[in-house]
Amino acid sequence: EPEVTQTPSHQVTQMGQEVILRCVPISNHLYFYWYRQILGQKVEFLVSFYNNEISEKSEIFDDQFSVERPDGSNFTLKIRSTKLEDSAMYFCASREESYGYTFGSGTRLTVV
Amino acid sequence: QKEVEQDPGPLSVPEGAIVSLNCTYSNSAFQYFMWYRQYSRKGPELLMYTYSSGNKEDGRFTAQVDKSSKYISLFIRDSQPSDSATYLCAIPETSGSRLTFGEGTQLTVNP
Repeated sequence: EPEVTQTPSHQVTQMGQEVILRCVPISNHLYFYWYRQILGQKVEFLVSFYNNEISEKSEIFDDQFSVERPDGSNFTLKIRSTKLEDSAMYFCASREESYGYTFGSGTRLTVV
Repeated sequence: QKEVEQDPGPLSVPEGAIVSLNCTYSNSAFQYFMWYRQYSRKGPELLMYTYSSGNKEDGRFTAQVDKSSKYISLFIRDSQPSDSATYLCAIPETSGSRLTFGEGTQLTVNP
């Protein structure tokens, strides 16, 4: 069964450093998303991406965050200057035209 | 008022029990309703989705929507230890937009 692949599975970074989280969505999917889940809290929407541009973003997705689809297969989330409160699980998701979102297994980001 | 609310549990049941998981929502315009299962340290996995009111069945799982009460349910029949996970309700504002998740209910099925 096709799956969304995320790397790395766990990343530890120092506060203030830049991190890039990587995702390979399902190949025929058109819509791409990033969500995050702080430990013990809800899964929260960050951003959606369609046709090579951001289609929607949440209030969490401020200027420290950016997304990119650098080639035909990868979808990345960059955090420019990490803060302690950015520590969370980050999930990439993709979908076709229908509303069946498929999530990856996530990247655990730990900011120290 | 939160858009989507879900009792976080935890819920512990014996193997073979019928499990009922529930969410309430505030926006009467919501039309699509989803249930995800999340195992520890994994991403959410889509279990069921329904459109508008009514029931949908898939094997041991039944999703139910009551739009008049803004209440959605997931029933698991003949629960198994492998069903032990966190169950998340999720609702998109429109058919393809961002998902708003409930808090998730942690379920343990004891052998």
